[in-house]
Amino acid sequence: AQSVSQHNHHVILSEAASLELGCNYSYGGTVNLFWYVQYPGQHLQLLLKYFSGDPLVKGIKGFEAEFIKSKFSFNLRKPSVQWSDTAEYFCAVNGGDTGRRALTFGSGTRLQVQP
Amino acid sequence: ETGVTQSPTHLIKTRGQQVTLRCSSQSGHNTVSWYQQALGQGPQFIFQYYREEENGRGNFPPRFSGLQFPNYSSELNVNALELDDSALYLCASSLPSGGATGELFFGEGSRLTVL
Repeated sequence: AQSVSQHNHHVILSEAASLELGCNYSYGGTVNLFWYVQYPGQHLQLLLKYFSGDPLVKGIKGFEAEFIKSKFSFNLRKPSVQWSDTAEYFCAVNGGDTGRRALTFGSGTRLQVQP
Repeated sequence: ETGVTQSPTHLIKTRGQQVTLRCSSQSGHNTVSWYQQALGQGPQFIFQYYREEENGRGNFPPRFSGLQFPNYSSELNVNALELDDSALYLCASSLPSGGATGELFFGEGSRLTVL
């Protein structure tokens, strides 16, 4: 079964610091990759996605992610975080055992941005 | 707001009881997926419904069952509750292509506590 690993469980940054959250997945076939975000008290929402083409994808709120196939990685980045970026971030992949019907999520990274 | 509504938002049950959770999908979305999110973990795929039939299932026992109605709303039923069933249960709706693209629209979840 495929799996998704997020290496950082809790990250604390000051405003304006740069952010990189790691994500690795196990499935070697064709996959679609996603980052979802959950702001405090809100529902999960899509931040960005990669299907094919340019491995550097841009999402909402200044976030971007780079797909490196050889490393099975899809790391999330933001050059300068804001207090409002405080949230939990989940990397997800579909493909593999359940095909494209289901997402396999990582365990999440809680980001705390201090003003 | 995603337009996906879930009820109840919180509930407490005891071991061995049965529970039914409900979900109304976003307008125009005919595919509903259910996920279980245990504390400190990412969401785990339970199953998906499309055209009132189960269209994919994760690694959950048969005591987890579901229904989808003609109006695309859905129910998740869990029989013989166990302590480990305590979790946030998330409903996500999508268009059929959403399963392929990962464009899921999540509700805010139903938090189940089993005592």
